Amino acid sequence: EDQVTQSPEALRLQEGESSSLNCSYTVSGLRGLFWYRQDPGKGPEFLFTLYSAGEEKEKERLKATLTKKESFLHITAPKPEDSATYLCAVPLSGGYNKLIFGAGTRLAVHP
Amino acid sequence: DTGVSQDPRHKITKRGQNVTFRCDPISEHNRLYWYRQTLGQGPEFLTYFQNEAQLEKSRLLSDRFSAERPKGSFSTLEIQRTEQGDSAMYLCASSLGLAGAIEQYFGPGTRLTVT
Repeated sequence: EDQVTQSPEALRLQEGESSSLNCSYTVSGLRGLFWYRQDPGKGPEFLFTLYSAGEEKEKERLKATLTKKESFLHITAPKPEDSATYLCAVPLSGGYNKLIFGAGTRLAVHP
Repeated sequence: DTGVSQDPRHKITKRGQNVTFRCDPISEHNRLYWYRQTLGQGPEFLTYFQNEAQLEKSRLLSDRFSAERPKGSFSTLEIQRTEQGDSAMYLCASSLGLAGAIEQYFGPGTRLTVT
C-alpha cells in the first residue's frame, strides 16, 4: 500500500537551532517527491520537487534531500518566520499525479 | 495575482443544506485537483480534471459530492445534504499537463463548518 509517513509530528526549536524533518515513503516506482509549507488556515505552498535518489534542492534556510526510501528537509539556523507545518507528498502509482500526503511536521521556532 | 483562487474562504452551514465551492486555477494549467484536509492531517485526494473531463474520483467522494469543470476553466464542488463529518478544509490545486511528476499549486482553501 502506498504510504507517506512524516516525523516528528511536532518540533520546537530555538532560533538558530538547526534540525531535520523526515519523510519516509513506500510507493512503487517513485516518480517524484514534493515538499510544501502550510501556514495555519492557508493552502499548502510549493517548496521543492525531488526526482531521484541523491538529488538535493535548496531555498534560503531549507535544503531537501532524497534517498530511495526517504527524504529529509534540513533547516539551517531557523527563524521564527519558518514556523509552519511542512508536508511531503508523492504521486500515487497509476497516473494522473494525484498526491498522497504525510500528516506533516508542525515546526515552531522561538526567539 | 495569478495564483489559484477559491471562493468562499469560509462557509458555515446547517446540517442538511447544500453548499457549492468555486475554484479558479492558474490560467495555463489544464489539470485541476480537489483535496480535503481535516485538522492535523495532510490533504486527501478527492477528484481530478484534465481540461473539462473528470478522469478520477476517490472513494471518499460519496454520492452527495459532485464536481464540474465546464469548458475546462473554473471548477465547482457541490456537497448535497451536508453532514457534520463534511466539516473540513476543501483545497483546490492546479498543474500543467506535462508528462512526469509535476508540482501542483494550491489555492487558499474553503473552510467548511457544518453545524
